[in-house]
Amino acid sequence: AQSVAQPEDQVNVAEGNPLTVKCTYSVSGNPYLFWYVQYPNRGLQFLLKYITGDNLVKGSYGFEAEFNKSQTSFHLKKPSALVSDSALYFCAVRDIGSWGKLQFGAGTQVVVTP
Amino acid sequence: DADVTQTPRNRITKTGKRIMLECSQTKGHDRMYWYRQDPGLGLRLIYYSFDVKDINKGEISDGYSVSRQAQAKFSLSLESAIPNQTALYFCATSGGDPKNIQYFGAGTRLSVL
Repeated sequence: AQSVAQPEDQVNVAEGNPLTVKCTYSVSGNPYLFWYVQYPNRGLQFLLKYITGDNLVKGSYGFEAEFNKSQTSFHLKKPSALVSDSALYFCAVRDIGSWGKLQFGAGTQVVVTP
Repeated sequence: DADVTQTPRNRITKTGKRIMLECSQTKGHDRMYWYRQDPGLGLRLIYYSFDVKDINKGEISDGYSVSRQAQAKFSLSLESAIPNQTALYFCATSGGDPKNIQYFGAGTRLSVL
């Protein structure tokens, strides 16, 4: 079975400060890991994914995420947050050995204040 | 034009009514999915389809049915809507490789009174 935990319902950060959104996962084998973002009244948009290779993954809009196998984590980061980064962020995991089902976390609301 | 289109975008219905949510895609993908989103629960998979003849239940399929009319079309039906089916519904598509990302529609906000 696969599962994802996003321990924070909401993250508040001032514009210009670093932003981190936490994600931990559990899979029986090796994972494929994804981050999606949802803006109000919009569908989910893909940000970045980890498949294999370099543990630091760079994605859209200046976001990056670090895969840590020993801690089973895949935290999303941005060095300098913008007000426009305010949105709902979802982490998702897929077991490499599975047929492709994505397991989503509950989501973390990011609020960036000016 | 959007690659994954959902209709309607918003719908209010009454308990016991039958309702259909429609999804069409221009990505050329074989795989299509229906999710529902509830606050604090993330996205949960209702049904998925790997091709026109392959339809499977997800984790919360009770009370729902689907139809894959063509490669590009995947409809979700609530045969007799109930209030706890009030949610935001998303359709998604992907290619066959598990490394592929899923592309989402803009969602249908459904309220069952």
